[in-house]
Amino acid sequence: DAKTTQPPSMDCAEGRAANLPCNHSTISGNEYVYWYRQIHSQGPQYIIHGLKNNETNEMASLIITEDRKSSTLILPHATLRDTAVYYCIARNYGGSQGNLIFGKGTKLSVKP
Amino acid sequence: NAGVTQTPKFRILKIGQSMTLQCTQDMNHNYMYWYRQDPGMGLKLIYYSVGAGITDKGEVPNGYNVSRSTTEDFPLRLELAAPSQTSVYFCASSYGVGYEQYFGPGTRLTVT
Repeated sequence: DAKTTQPPSMDCAEGRAANLPCNHSTISGNEYVYWYRQIHSQGPQYIIHGLKNNETNEMASLIITEDRKSSTLILPHATLRDTAVYYCIARNYGGSQGNLIFGKGTKLSVKP
Repeated sequence: NAGVTQTPKFRILKIGQSMTLQCTQDMNHNYMYWYRQDPGMGLKLIYYSVGAGITDKGEVPNGYNVSRSTTEDFPLRLELAAPSQTSVYFCASSYGVGYEQYFGPGTRLTVT
């Protein structure tokens, strides 16, 4: 699975959009980009994933650059409850194990 | 659906003691995983299972054992607990490889 690089921390004002970047310059053609988040002391929570097209669901939007070397997770209207560590993971959709390889992620602090 | 449940929530063990961490899912998922998370770090895979009766080692299996006699349950056994096993343990399940993983609330284990 490709290595991903994320800033260690970011701040965002409540009600504003939070844009979390992720670099995955060595991603291969069959690797998807997944985003999970972990609110303090809880189990990780799936947010969204995509291959090359932009994706949107009820939680967030995922923008993947055309060369697929980077992506951005967008939380359109951040709330205090969005304060969490956000993990960007690049992995094959297939494979034998299916486990996720978590880095250190980005600690997002949403401030009032 | 209760999702993924884990018991106990907290446990303190003395060095050399043994215990079993319980994990149950009610989503009829084939894949189940055990991860551990040390302070300030990402999750690391201990063991995983692709179905009842099938288990395999992950990245950090030493000191642990698992079994999968039913689709629903995936207990993790610690034999001869050591201080290095102090961690938060998360169980997860998914429908298959590439599908989102659902995590339990975690078990916080301290070995002294």
